[in-house]
Amino acid sequence: EDKVVQSPLSLVVHEGDTVTLNCSYEVTNFRSLLWYKQEKKAPTFLFMLTSSGIEKKSGRLSSILDKKELSSILNITATQTGDSAIYLCAVDTGTASKLTFGTGTRLQVTL
Amino acid sequence: NAGVMQNPRHLVRRRGQEARLRCSPMKGHSHVYWYRQLPEEGLKFMVYLQKENIIDESGMPKERFSAEFPKEGPSILRIQQVVRGDSAAYFCASSYDTNPYGYTFGSGTRLTVV
Repeated sequence: EDKVVQSPLSLVVHEGDTVTLNCSYEVTNFRSLLWYKQEKKAPTFLFMLTSSGIEKKSGRLSSILDKKELSSILNITATQTGDSAIYLCAVDTGTASKLTFGTGTRLQVTL
Repeated sequence: NAGVMQNPRHLVRRRGQEARLRCSPMKGHSHVYWYRQLPEEGLKFMVYLQKENIIDESGMPKERFSAEFPKEGPSILRIQQVVRGDSAAYFCASSYDTNPYGYTFGSGTRLTVV
């Protein structure tokens, strides 16, 4: 059975800190890995990674995929209270484009 | 161009009743996916539909659950004879094609069974 594991499950940091969120996967067929941010509503897309070693960046957020280690990290620098959310990692196994999600990392940024 | 619209946002049903969840995809999107999110768990795939066809229902329980995406109108996820374990957030996503890069999620329907 395809599996995606995220760590830590939850994290509390102070504004301005840098955080690293982890995602590892074990799937029969890998097509891409995606990161989403979920506040109290719809998950919103952050990144899609398909190639190993290429960093995707958007402002203070960046992500990289390591296909050898079957993992990805999401970095957030200079965190702000607006970064507080659940961060979800998902893998597209190419089977009808259904995504297998991890349980998420709940990030809380305090003042 | 409205996003993916789900309604209702919140739904309370007594055990044994039926729940109907609606999803209107984004304009031009013909692929619809339903996911369920149980408390403290990630989203779990339920079913993938294209207009008038169920493509993959491997994540949907065999009993009590059904889904449709008619030629006209929204996609419907129907749960008959609800039980407490059905309490969850149900998210719909739509896309133009099968590339998940193009997925857009709705805001979900939170079902509570009392």
